[in-house]
Amino acid sequence: DAKTTQPTSMDCAEGRAANLPCNHSTISGNEYVYWYRQIHSQGPQYIIHGLKNNETNEMASLIITEDRKSSTLILPHATLRDTAVYYCIVRAYQGAQKLVFGQGTRLTINP
Amino acid sequence: GAVVSQHPSRVICKSGTSVKIECRSLDFQATTMFWYRQFPKQSLMLMATSNEGSKATYEQGVEKDKFLINHASLTLSTLTVTSAHPEDSSFYICSARLPLTSGGRIGEQFFGPGTRLTVL
Repeated sequence: DAKTTQPTSMDCAEGRAANLPCNHSTISGNEYVYWYRQIHSQGPQYIIHGLKNNETNEMASLIITEDRKSSTLILPHATLRDTAVYYCIVRAYQGAQKLVFGQGTRLTINP
Repeated sequence: GAVVSQHPSRVICKSGTSVKIECRSLDFQATTMFWYRQFPKQSLMLMATSNEGSKATYEQGVEKDKFLINHASLTLSTLTVTSAHPEDSSFYICSARLPLTSGGRIGEQFFGPGTRLTVL
């Protein structure tokens, strides 16, 4: 699986959009980009995933660059409950491969 | 849907004892489950892949005789930490994968809430 690079930590004001970047310059054509988050002392929670098109769901939006070497997770109106570690993971096949977690980005939403 | 539970949520045991952690998929059948371990301020580390009806596949460096995994049914996998020692104290998390034949998020993984093990 391709490796990803994320900033160690980020801060965002409550109510503002949180934009979390992820670099995956060695991503292969059949690898998807997944985002999970882990709130303190809980199991990871799925957020969103995509292959090459931008995706949006009730939690977030995922913007993938045209060359697919990077992506951005957008939380449009961050709340204090969005404080968590966010993991960007790339892997082949839609769900067939195991998830390998990197260090993630610790996002802190400030009041 | 796609809920995964773990039991117990927290366990404290004495050094040398064995501890069993259960992982259940509550509303779907999971032929494959995964076990992760997470130390404080670190990321999740995959320990093993548990397949129903067959032996688990362990990641490099994980002692299979110490961390016994049993996946006897399509909704239950267990992790037994044998002869636990203080260095085994950690947060253990399981995940269950939707069957690859399911529609929608084919093969997606859902995580349990985790079990915090403290070995005294």
